[in-house]
Amino acid sequence: NAGVMQNPRHLVRRRGQEARLRCSPMKGHSHVYWYRQLPEEGLKFMVYLQKENIIDESGMPKERFSAEFPKEGPSILRIQQVVRGDSAAYFCASSTVSYEQYFGPGTRLTVT
Amino acid sequence: RKEVEQDPGPFNVPEGATVAFNCTYSNSASQSFFWYRQDCRKEPKLLMSVYSSGNEDGRFTAQLNRASQYISLLIRDSKLSDSATYLCVVTLYGQNFVFGPGTRLSVLP
Repeated sequence: NAGVMQNPRHLVRRRGQEARLRCSPMKGHSHVYWYRQLPEEGLKFMVYLQKENIIDESGMPKERFSAEFPKEGPSILRIQQVVRGDSAAYFCASSTVSYEQYFGPGTRLTVT
Repeated sequence: RKEVEQDPGPFNVPEGATVAFNCTYSNSASQSFFWYRQDCRKEPKLLMSVYSSGNEDGRFTAQLNRASQYISLLIRDSKLSDSATYLCVVTLYGQNFVFGPGTRLSVLP
């Protein structure tokens, strides 16, 4: 059973560009979560999605950030007009209804 | 008061030692609790869920005290490979997942 997959693993963007991060949950998991981790800091919850629904986006910045989990295909976290402060590791996790989350390897975003 | 607080650490212990981590949470309605470990620059890995009756998995024991709003993790017979940052996680019905800041453990030879 493949684990949670994220791609790309590393992403470099210039200021003002868009970043698209993808997450494929574990087989059988219908819940997806996104987290951000700044260097030397803890994990911060961003958004919780189920297929075609955003359940909790209380941790998402109000502007430039959006997330989706379509009926088919991976979940996407999109960051528009990236700024240097967006540089971080972005982790995706998935779970069943038990809420035990399994994490992907993360995408390290660097904004130059 | 922060939503989830943990022992500040770091904890430096010799191999074979027993070490305990504590975590407190502020939302008394919280329903589910977990311990994760995170190695440097890697993804968090689920260590164990924490049940009301307490639970044990090999050298690891987790306890929950709802009245005092804290959870604990006990590691017996520490191994070098236990060196990591330990994160407690609290959630309310699958929403509002909050990770604690983590406690770093170094097991020394």
